[in-house]
Amino acid sequence: GESVGLHLPTLSVQEGDNSIINCAYSNSASDYFIWYKQESGKGPQFIIDIRSNMDKRQGQRVTVLLNKTVKHLSLQIAATQPGDSAVYFCAESASGTYKYIFGTGTRLKVLA
Amino acid sequence: DAGITQSPRHKVTETGTPVTLRCHQTENHRYMYWYRQDPGHGLRLIHYSYGVKDTDKGEVSDGYSVSRSKTEDFLLTLESATSSQTSVYFCAISGSTGTNYGYTFGSGTRLTVV
Repeated sequence: GESVGLHLPTLSVQEGDNSIINCAYSNSASDYFIWYKQESGKGPQFIIDIRSNMDKRQGQRVTVLLNKTVKHLSLQIAATQPGDSAVYFCAESASGTYKYIFGTGTRLKVLA
Repeated sequence: DAGITQSPRHKVTETGTPVTLRCHQTENHRYMYWYRQDPGHGLRLIHYSYGVKDTDKGEVSDGYSVSRSKTEDFLLTLESATSSQTSVYFCAISGSTGTNYGYTFGSGTRLTVV
């Protein structure tokens, strides 16, 4: 079982479609952001990061967008696959702290 | 994850008993953290360490203590477990090399206090 959250917001997408997961962060001094993926029964796993001097960063099938004006992050997953089903967290950090504030997460369900 | 292990993976204990969770890393990272994860709260920092014998409190440190006598081990102790400490506990490590300053998490310890 997984106690990540019984009442997490859930995004359901059809396999092959694109997914967009959003996150609002809290600290205007935060300058480093990460998206994590957490599968059932496992610890969070790093997906992609972005620094505040960037607006967009692309990885393999994933893109993170950062809007500092409204303190908003988004994670875009292209061609969503069943293996993408998980809970996704954003995390923010300010320089030199080595500590992060985590969002509560969004559950992504991929429909076959 | 390779390089970080938590033990035990599961534990059931009675209210009022002491409990120690162990985090062991082989990455020689300076920073180690203990988080708890509960429904509706996400990950919350309990304690962290920035070196051997150097520790500090996080946002939910009441009822918990930690020790780090060597780089590779970070212990979390519940002196007298309560039902409110039923949770999933994650250890994380962080280094300062490269551009990735994120954490590597362990697989978690599910603790049930009855």
